[in-house]
Amino acid sequence: DSGVTQTPKHLITATGQRVTLRCSPRSGDLSVYWYQQSLDQGLQFLIQYYNGEERAKGNILERFSAQQFPDLHSELNLSSLELGDSALYFCASSVVAGGFTDTQYFGPGTRLTVL
Amino acid sequence: AQKVTQAQTEISVVEKEDVTLDCVYETRDTTYYLFWYKQPPSGELVFLIRRNSFDEQNEISGRYSWNFQKSTSSFNFTITASQVVDSAVYFCALSESRGGSEKLVFGKGTKLTVNP
Repeated sequence: DSGVTQTPKHLITATGQRVTLRCSPRSGDLSVYWYQQSLDQGLQFLIQYYNGEERAKGNILERFSAQQFPDLHSELNLSSLELGDSALYFCASSVVAGGFTDTQYFGPGTRLTVL
Repeated sequence: AQKVTQAQTEISVVEKEDVTLDCVYETRDTTYYLFWYKQPPSGELVFLIRRNSFDEQNEISGRYSWNFQKSTSSFNFTITASQVVDSAVYFCALSESRGGSEKLVFGKGTKLTVNP
């Protein structure tokens, strides 16, 4: 158990819908990262937050957004869902950001299926 | 641009065989970190090792060992006396610290199957 929690574990929805994925980092970790794992693209970085502020963006679609709250949990919002958004979405957390690379510990993932 | 290549898509071995998973990386930076993660059939990503670019010492942890060679930009992972429980997809990843972000760039993964 990495200490990172993600809910829900599975999500099945229809095209055009909006969903919210939730992540709670390990105790003491200030950075949260979101990654998408799909069969064709592999594991790809989406976005990073550090202590409530956006720190870096990867290949994140405009239909996707995220935020980190004062209690450091994070939510990834996916809207206008398409079939191609079906994937495993991971959240990871680490202690710091900037000037020092800490290990990222991953949550169990949320499997999103868009029908 | 950063890139991680895991040329072996799938490897199948018989229990107790030794197996080496290859990882080749590309980066322009002198300071970087390399990682290995394991993804068992249950789906979670399990951290195995982190190595920085200044530490080329090989590392051994039980049946696992890692060989980091800067000259060939490789960070290979060897499992000695493999077991069925080692069956998983293994990912090599590279991180650069830029602008306060330590995003990971992953290879495509190597699926290891250990048969009894």
